[in-house]
Amino acid sequence: DAMVIQNPRYQVTQFGKPVTLSCSQTLNHNVMYWYQQKSSQAPKLLFHYYDKDFNNEADTPDNFQSRRPNTSFCFLDIRSPGLGDAAMYLCATRDELAGVGETQYFGPGTRLLVL
Amino acid sequence: AQKVTQAQTEISVVEKEDVTLDCVYETRDTTYYLFWYKQPPSGELVFLIRRNSFDEQNEISGRYSWNFQKSTSSFNFTITASQVVDSAVYFCALSEPPAAGNKLTFGGGTRVLVKP
Repeated sequence: DAMVIQNPRYQVTQFGKPVTLSCSQTLNHNVMYWYQQKSSQAPKLLFHYYDKDFNNEADTPDNFQSRRPNTSFCFLDIRSPGLGDAAMYLCATRDELAGVGETQYFGPGTRLLVL
Repeated sequence: AQKVTQAQTEISVVEKEDVTLDCVYETRDTTYYLFWYKQPPSGELVFLIRRNSFDEQNEISGRYSWNFQKSTSSFNFTITASQVVDSAVYFCALSEPPAAGNKLTFGGGTRVLVKP
């Protein structure tokens, strides 16, 4: 089935050790999003891609970066994770060609723990 | 700026009771979309329903129904005959216009606990 896949589902890293989270999709959607969701909070958008065009949110820390080598894959890099970066990271996709306000489809998320 | 408010932080019901989740939004746009997502304990955000600003017709889909009232900027969601599997956090969301990337503004979420 077409879907949004995130690996791994759980990631443990050490304080200050770079970590990469991955997202892939078989939906062929041109827009991909990365959200951070902390406990008991709503998801917060970090950045998104329109095709290869990168759009960063104004309040996204420089510690967070992203790469999208092709339509199917998108990566979230945390250069120096701090304890405050422990959260669920959600990837979502959207088909812009389907029209205005088309639905975002989310992956299962990667839960990041920073020790 | 857009804003979505879910005043109910947690609702607890007994199985088979109906549950209504409130959502109030603010936007200056004339064209927008509203969504409801479900987030079970596993963490995945599951799309439930979508409504555009031009269509105020209320609908029922299985055990789900929604009441969109533009005059009061509300988009309430009802689960009929709740089941234990409905236990989750439910988010109401508003889609920003294309110029802003169709980004979603989420409400704070309402945790629903359905007891057997």
